[in-house]
Amino acid sequence: EPEVTQTPSHQVTQMGQEVILRCVPISNHLYFYWYRQILGQKVEFLVSFYNNEISEKSEIFDDQFSVERPDGSNFTLKIRSTKLEDSAMYFCASSVQGGIGYTFGSGTRLTVV
Amino acid sequence: EDKVVQSPLSLVVHEGDTVTLNCSYEVTNFRSLLWYKQEKKAPTFLFMLTSSGIEKKSGRLSSILDKKELFSILNITATQTGDSAVYLCAVWHNNDMRFGAGTRLTVKP
Repeated sequence: EPEVTQTPSHQVTQMGQEVILRCVPISNHLYFYWYRQILGQKVEFLVSFYNNEISEKSEIFDDQFSVERPDGSNFTLKIRSTKLEDSAMYFCASSVQGGIGYTFGSGTRLTVV
Repeated sequence: EDKVVQSPLSLVVHEGDTVTLNCSYEVTNFRSLLWYKQEKKAPTFLFMLTSSGIEKKSGRLSSILDKKELFSILNITATQTGDSAVYLCAVWHNNDMRFGAGTRLTVKP
Protein backbone atom coordinates (compact mmCIF):
# COMPACT_ATOMS: atom_id res chain seq x y z
CA GLU A 1 0.00 0.00 0.00
CA PRO A 2 1.39 3.44 -0.89
CA GLU A 3 2.87 5.37 2.01
CA VAL A 4 3.85 8.89 2.88
CA THR A 5 7.46 8.73 4.01
CA GLN A 6 9.00 11.17 6.45
CA THR A 7 12.64 11.60 7.40
CA PRO A 8 14.22 11.75 9.85
CA SER A 9 12.03 9.99 12.38
CA HIS A 10 13.65 11.94 15.21
CA GLN A 11 15.75 15.11 15.10
CA VAL A 12 17.38 16.93 17.97
CA THR A 13 18.55 20.47 17.32
CA GLN A 14 19.83 23.42 19.26
CA MET A 15 17.68 26.50 19.72
CA GLY A 16 18.25 29.00 16.94
CA GLN A 17 19.32 26.39 14.39
CA GLU A 18 17.53 25.78 11.12
CA VAL A 19 15.91 22.42 10.47
CA ILE A 20 14.45 20.87 7.37
CA LEU A 21 11.90 18.12 7.71
CA ARG A 22 11.44 15.97 4.67
CA CYS A 23 8.44 14.19 3.27
CA VAL A 24 7.84 12.06 0.20
CA PRO A 25 4.11 12.12 -0.53
CA ILE A 26 2.27 9.39 -2.41
CA SER A 27 3.22 9.75 -6.05
CA ASN A 28 -0.17 10.54 -7.61
CA HIS A 29 -1.28 12.86 -4.84
CA LEU A 30 -1.62 16.53 -5.63
CA TYR A 31 -2.29 18.13 -2.23
CA PHE A 32 0.27 18.25 0.54
CA TYR A 33 0.03 19.28 4.17
CA TRP A 34 2.02 19.73 7.33
CA TYR A 35 0.60 19.29 10.81
CA ARG A 36 2.21 19.33 14.20
CA GLN A 37 1.32 17.78 17.52
CA ILE A 38 2.94 19.05 20.68
CA LEU A 39 3.25 16.21 23.18
CA GLY A 40 -0.10 15.57 24.85
CA GLN A 41 -1.89 18.19 22.79
CA LYS A 42 -4.09 18.25 19.73
CA VAL A 43 -3.02 17.86 16.14
CA GLU A 44 -2.70 21.35 14.63
CA PHE A 45 -2.83 22.32 11.00
CA LEU A 46 0.16 24.27 9.70
CA VAL A 47 -0.09 24.58 5.94
CA SER A 48 -1.57 23.11 2.78
CA PHE A 49 0.15 23.19 -0.60
CA TYR A 50 -1.23 22.67 -4.06
CA ASN A 51 -0.01 23.45 -7.54
CA ASN A 52 3.35 24.62 -6.22
CA GLU A 53 1.98 27.19 -3.87
CA ILE A 54 0.57 27.51 -0.40
CA SER A 55 -3.21 27.27 -0.53
CA GLU A 56 -3.87 27.80 3.16
CA LYS A 57 -1.85 28.36 6.32
CA SER A 58 -2.67 28.68 9.98
CA GLU A 59 -1.67 31.38 12.43
CA ILE A 60 1.08 29.05 13.66
CA PHE A 61 2.76 29.13 10.26
CA ASP A 62 4.61 32.43 10.67
CA ASP A 63 7.68 33.80 8.92
CA GLN A 64 10.02 31.28 10.50
CA PHE A 65 8.29 28.47 8.59
CA SER A 66 8.48 27.77 4.89
CA VAL A 67 7.56 24.88 2.61
CA GLU A 68 9.00 23.79 -0.66
CA ARG A 69 8.61 21.12 -3.27
CA PRO A 70 12.15 21.20 -4.60
CA ASP A 71 11.67 18.36 -7.07
CA GLY A 72 8.87 16.10 -8.22
CA SER A 73 8.86 13.92 -5.14
CA ASN A 74 9.96 15.73 -1.97
CA PHE A 75 7.95 18.15 0.13
CA THR A 76 9.91 19.94 2.84
CA LEU A 77 9.14 22.02 5.89
CA LYS A 78 11.88 24.43 6.97
CA ILE A 79 11.98 26.06 10.37
CA ARG A 80 14.47 28.92 10.16
CA SER A 81 15.42 29.61 13.74
CA THR A 82 14.03 26.95 16.05
CA LYS A 83 12.58 27.76 19.44
CA LEU A 84 12.01 25.47 22.38
CA GLU A 85 8.27 25.58 21.74
CA ASP A 86 8.77 24.15 18.26
CA SER A 87 9.43 20.78 19.88
CA ALA A 88 6.66 18.55 18.59
CA MET A 89 5.78 15.70 16.29
CA TYR A 90 5.48 16.98 12.74
CA PHE A 91 3.23 15.05 10.39
CA CYS A 92 3.19 15.33 6.63
CA ALA A 93 0.08 14.25 4.74
CA SER A 94 -0.98 14.08 1.14
CA SER A 95 -4.24 13.56 -0.68
CA VAL A 96 -5.55 12.96 -4.17
CA GLN A 97 -8.07 15.74 -3.81
CA GLY A 98 -8.75 17.99 -0.89
CA GLY A 99 -9.76 15.70 1.96
CA ILE A 100 -10.01 12.58 -0.20
CA GLY A 101 -7.55 9.74 0.10
CA TYR A 102 -5.84 11.59 2.90
CA THR A 103 -2.77 9.75 4.17
CA PHE A 104 -0.46 10.71 7.01
CA GLY A 105 3.23 9.97 7.24
CA SER A 106 4.61 8.42 10.40
CA GLY A 107 5.95 11.75 11.63
CA THR A 108 9.21 13.41 12.62
CA ARG A 109 9.77 14.05 16.28
CA LEU A 110 11.60 17.37 16.60
CA THR A 111 13.28 18.14 19.89
CA VAL A 112 14.72 21.62 20.35
CA VAL A 113 17.21 21.93 23.21
CA GLU B 1 -13.77 31.05 15.06
CA ASP B 2 -13.74 27.54 13.62
CA LYS B 3 -13.77 24.83 16.25
CA VAL B 4 -14.02 21.08 16.64
CA VAL B 5 -14.94 19.81 20.10
CA GLN B 6 -14.73 16.20 21.19
CA SER B 7 -16.19 14.60 24.28
CA PRO B 8 -15.42 13.00 26.54
CA LEU B 9 -11.70 13.78 26.67
CA SER B 10 -11.02 10.47 28.35
CA LEU B 11 -12.94 7.25 28.80
CA VAL B 12 -12.13 4.00 30.60
CA VAL B 13 -14.25 0.92 29.92
CA HIS B 14 -14.00 -2.83 30.22
CA GLU B 15 -13.74 -5.28 27.36
CA GLY B 16 -17.12 -5.98 25.85
CA ASP B 17 -18.57 -2.57 26.66
CA THR B 18 -20.02 -0.30 23.98
CA VAL B 19 -18.76 3.25 23.75
CA THR B 20 -19.97 6.37 21.98
CA LEU B 21 -17.57 9.17 21.20
CA ASN B 22 -18.87 12.61 20.32
CA CYS B 23 -17.66 15.34 18.00
CA SER B 24 -19.32 18.70 17.48
CA TYR B 25 -18.11 21.35 15.11
CA GLU B 26 -18.55 24.91 13.96
CA VAL B 27 -16.68 25.66 10.79
CA THR B 28 -17.16 27.67 7.63
CA ASN B 29 -17.51 25.87 4.32
CA PHE B 30 -17.86 22.39 5.81
CA ARG B 31 -16.89 19.64 3.37
CA SER B 32 -16.56 16.46 5.39
CA LEU B 33 -15.88 15.03 8.81
CA LEU B 34 -13.26 12.39 9.37
CA TRP B 35 -12.50 10.04 12.23
CA TYR B 36 -8.98 8.82 12.94
CA LYS B 37 -7.45 6.42 15.43
CA GLN B 38 -4.07 7.42 16.87
CA GLU B 39 -2.11 4.82 18.76
CA LYS B 40 1.58 5.59 18.83
CA LYS B 41 2.38 7.86 15.97
CA ALA B 42 0.44 8.92 12.91
CA PRO B 43 -3.36 8.93 12.89
CA THR B 44 -4.91 6.14 10.86
CA PHE B 45 -8.07 6.75 8.91
CA LEU B 46 -11.37 5.27 10.05
CA PHE B 47 -14.26 7.04 8.33
CA MET B 48 -15.12 10.02 6.19
CA LEU B 49 -18.65 11.39 6.43
CA THR B 50 -20.13 13.93 4.08
CA SER B 51 -23.86 13.31 4.19
CA SER B 52 -26.24 13.43 7.13
CA GLY B 53 -27.93 10.33 8.41
CA ILE B 54 -25.92 7.75 6.47
CA GLU B 55 -24.17 5.36 8.81
CA LYS B 56 -20.70 4.21 7.90
CA LYS B 57 -19.73 0.85 9.33
CA SER B 58 -16.54 -1.11 9.57
CA GLY B 59 -16.64 -4.20 11.77
CA ARG B 60 -17.41 -3.12 15.32
CA LEU B 61 -17.03 0.57 14.49
CA SER B 62 -19.73 2.78 13.06
CA SER B 63 -20.22 6.49 12.64
CA ILE B 64 -22.91 8.91 11.61
CA LEU B 65 -23.09 12.61 10.86
CA ASP B 66 -25.81 15.15 11.63
CA LYS B 67 -25.18 18.25 9.54
CA LYS B 68 -28.17 20.07 10.96
CA GLU B 69 -27.05 19.74 14.57
CA LEU B 70 -23.37 19.85 13.57
CA PHE B 71 -22.12 16.73 15.25
CA SER B 72 -20.96 13.20 14.65
CA ILE B 73 -20.70 10.11 16.82
CA LEU B 74 -18.35 7.18 16.64
CA ASN B 75 -19.63 3.94 18.16
CA ILE B 76 -17.50 0.99 19.10
CA THR B 77 -19.32 -2.16 20.15
CA ALA B 78 -17.86 -5.13 22.04
CA THR B 79 -14.69 -3.18 22.79
CA GLN B 80 -11.34 -4.96 22.92
CA THR B 81 -8.06 -3.94 24.54
CA GLY B 82 -6.72 -3.26 21.05
CA ASP B 83 -9.25 -0.47 20.71
CA SER B 84 -7.31 1.53 23.31
CA ALA B 85 -6.15 4.67 21.52
CA VAL B 86 -6.87 8.33 21.02
CA TYR B 87 -9.76 8.85 18.61
CA LEU B 88 -9.53 12.05 16.63
CA CYS B 89 -12.31 13.87 14.89
CA ALA B 90 -11.31 16.23 12.10
CA VAL B 91 -13.37 18.53 9.93
CA TRP B 92 -12.37 19.30 6.41
CA HIS B 93 -13.26 22.85 5.38
CA ASN B 94 -11.82 25.34 2.94
CA ASN B 95 -8.39 23.90 2.21
CA ASP B 96 -7.48 22.44 5.53
CA MET B 97 -8.53 20.01 8.18
CA ARG B 98 -9.10 21.03 11.79
CA PHE B 99 -8.73 18.45 14.51
CA GLY B 100 -10.48 18.09 17.82
CA ALA B 101 -8.44 17.43 20.93
CA GLY B 102 -9.27 13.73 20.78
CA THR B 103 -10.87 11.21 23.12
CA ARG B 104 -8.48 8.89 24.91
CA LEU B 105 -10.14 5.49 25.16
CA THR B 106 -8.72 2.89 27.52
CA VAL B 107 -10.21 -0.60 27.37
CA LYS B 108 -9.35 -2.76 30.38
CA PRO B 109 -9.34 -6.56 30.21
